[in-house]
Amino acid sequence: KAGVTQTPRYLIKTRGQQVTLSCSPISGHRSVSWYQQTPGQGLQFLFEYFSETQRNKGNFPGRFSGRQFSNSRSEMNVSTLELGDSALYLCASSLVAGGGDTQYFGPGTRLTVL
Amino acid sequence: TQLLEQSPQFLSIQEGENLTVYCNSSSVFSSLQWYRQEPGEGPVLLVTVVTGGEVKKLKRLTFQFGDARKDSSLHITAAQPGDTGLYLCAGATGNTPLVFGKGTRLSVIA
Repeated sequence: KAGVTQTPRYLIKTRGQQVTLSCSPISGHRSVSWYQQTPGQGLQFLFEYFSETQRNKGNFPGRFSGRQFSNSRSEMNVSTLELGDSALYLCASSLVAGGGDTQYFGPGTRLTVL
Repeated sequence: TQLLEQSPQFLSIQEGENLTVYCNSSSVFSSLQWYRQEPGEGPVLLVTVVTGGEVKKLKRLTFQFGDARKDSSLHITAAQPGDTGLYLCAGATGNTPLVFGKGTRLSVIA
């Protein structure tokens, strides 16, 4: 069974631009969660989608948004990029929503904002 | 807000030594998960503990969940260079998202 895939793996953008990251979950998984990982703050929860509905949202500004498609693939978008948005963005898939189920992480997208 | 504090933040040891990593909180969790993350990769689940006082062993790794389900520890016996990585604990409560600690970065020197 293929694992979680994320594209692109690396991205360089400049301040003010916007970016879209993609995540394909493990086949059969309907829940996708997104996390931001930085050295100073660690892994911080962005949002979770289950069956195309946002189930949970973390404490991030409205510039961060996401969506999930009927095939469970998910995208997250960051508008008006700031230097502080430089981070590793991880997505994780699981069978059911919530943190209690085993989450399988993708390799992440390394975003650098210049 | 639920928080998980991990200690130590950094650990550098010689091959063959033993070590313990701690994960503490003032909140009660229904389960606690431990992950290891290697450079350029996402975290990989090592174990989930769900019962207070539970001890799980995975080869040279021993995981313990505190009786009150507020803390956990990871003990590695005879560490090897392949154990090098970032160890993360994460707490789960019901259907709310996982709460992660900031991690312990372990370096095992041959």
